[in-house]
Amino acid sequence: EDKVVQSPLSLVVHEGDTVTLNCSYEVTNFRSLLWYKQEKKAPTFLFMLTSSGIEKKSGRLSSILDKKELFSILNITATQTGDSAIYLCAGFKGSEKLVFGKGTKLTVNP
Amino acid sequence: NAGVTQTPKFQVLKTGQSMTLQCAQDMNHEYMSWYRQDPGMGLRLIHYSVGAGITDQGEVPNGYNVSRSTTEDFPLRLLSAAPSQTSVYFCASSYSFRAGNTIYFGEGSWLTVV
Repeated sequence: EDKVVQSPLSLVVHEGDTVTLNCSYEVTNFRSLLWYKQEKKAPTFLFMLTSSGIEKKSGRLSSILDKKELFSILNITATQTGDSAIYLCAGFKGSEKLVFGKGTKLTVNP
Repeated sequence: NAGVTQTPKFQVLKTGQSMTLQCAQDMNHEYMSWYRQDPGMGLRLIHYSVGAGITDQGEVPNGYNVSRSTTEDFPLRLLSAAPSQTSVYFCASSYSFRAGNTIYFGEGSWLTVV
């Protein structure tokens, strides 16, 4: 059975801290891994990772995929209160399906 | 360009009632899907479609029906609502994952079954 496991499930930090969110996966016909940020409503896309070892960056956020060890990390540096959200990781498999993890709830306190 | 539009945003149903959650996209996307999100469970795939006339089951299809008569619309029908179907429902669309495109989510529909 396909599964995506995120850790930690919940994290509380102070503004300015650096955080690392983890995502491990066991997905048949794995194609790529996606990260989303979810605030009040719909998830918004952050990264899609297809190749191992290539870091993707967007401002203070970065992510990398390890296809040998079957995991990905999402780093957020110099966190701000606006980074508070649920971060979702999903594995894309063949047949157009996404398998989501349960998410990591990040709270950034001022 | 409205993106992915879901209606209604909020709905309360009595056990046993039926209803349809509407989803429309104006991006000419091939792929559309429905997810439900429950506390502590992440998003789980209910049904998906890779094009007009083609639908398939996801992880949690029981109690739900879908159809895809047009590229734009992908309604989700609850046949006989149960309290276990209380959840937030998200419709999503994409041109094609194989092209490396991302998936766009609607704003969500909050459903309560009493």
